[in-house]
Amino acid sequence: DAGVIQSPRHEVTEMGQEVTLRCKPISGHNSLFWYRQTMMRGLELLIYFNNNVPIDDSGMPEDRFSAKMPNASFSTLKIQPSEPRDSAVYFCASSSGQGYGYTFGSGTRLTVV
Amino acid sequence: AQRVTQPEKLLSVFKGAPVELKCNYSYSGSPELFWYVQYSRQRLQLLLRHISRESIKGFTADLNKGETSFHLKKPFAQEEDSAMYYCALSAFGNEKLTFGTGTRLTIIP
Repeated sequence: DAGVIQSPRHEVTEMGQEVTLRCKPISGHNSLFWYRQTMMRGLELLIYFNNNVPIDDSGMPEDRFSAKMPNASFSTLKIQPSEPRDSAVYFCASSSGQGYGYTFGSGTRLTVV
Repeated sequence: AQRVTQPEKLLSVFKGAPVELKCNYSYSGSPELFWYVQYSRQRLQLLLRHISRESIKGFTADLNKGETSFHLKKPFAQEEDSAMYYCALSAFGNEKLTFGTGTRLTIIP
């Protein structure tokens, strides 16, 4: 298995533009998580899905952020419009169940200028 | 509410010396605890789960419910241990992980 696959690895965009981050979880994992990592705030859970259904989106900063999981093998995190304060590394992770821990993707480094 | 505290942002240790990375948690129920490691510009990797009581790369961690701690230890530090270490907690019956702010460990040759 190639692990959790995220794309793109790096994204530089101008303020106000729409940004879409993509994630392919490990096959057979039924939970998917989106985290944001910054120097100031560390790792923050944005949203997580179980069996493609959003379970907890309390970490989504505001309406500019949205996430979807149309099927078991794909999820997107969209920011529209983007702002400089959204600059961070965004990680996707998947899990096969409670107690097993997560497998993380390589992350997308987003820079909004 | 659950919280994970890693009191040291930075820790420097000489090669061959013992290492202890501190982690304290706040949670009223039965927690599940983990340590993750992130080497420079790489993805986070699961290092240890308390439930499996394993030793990985010479690291061990014991859950102390009385002190609400899950400190990570290694008797002899190696240069390749330099990395960012995160402690994380999930509530029983919930997959959501709450992470601490991390400790950057630097091994001095």
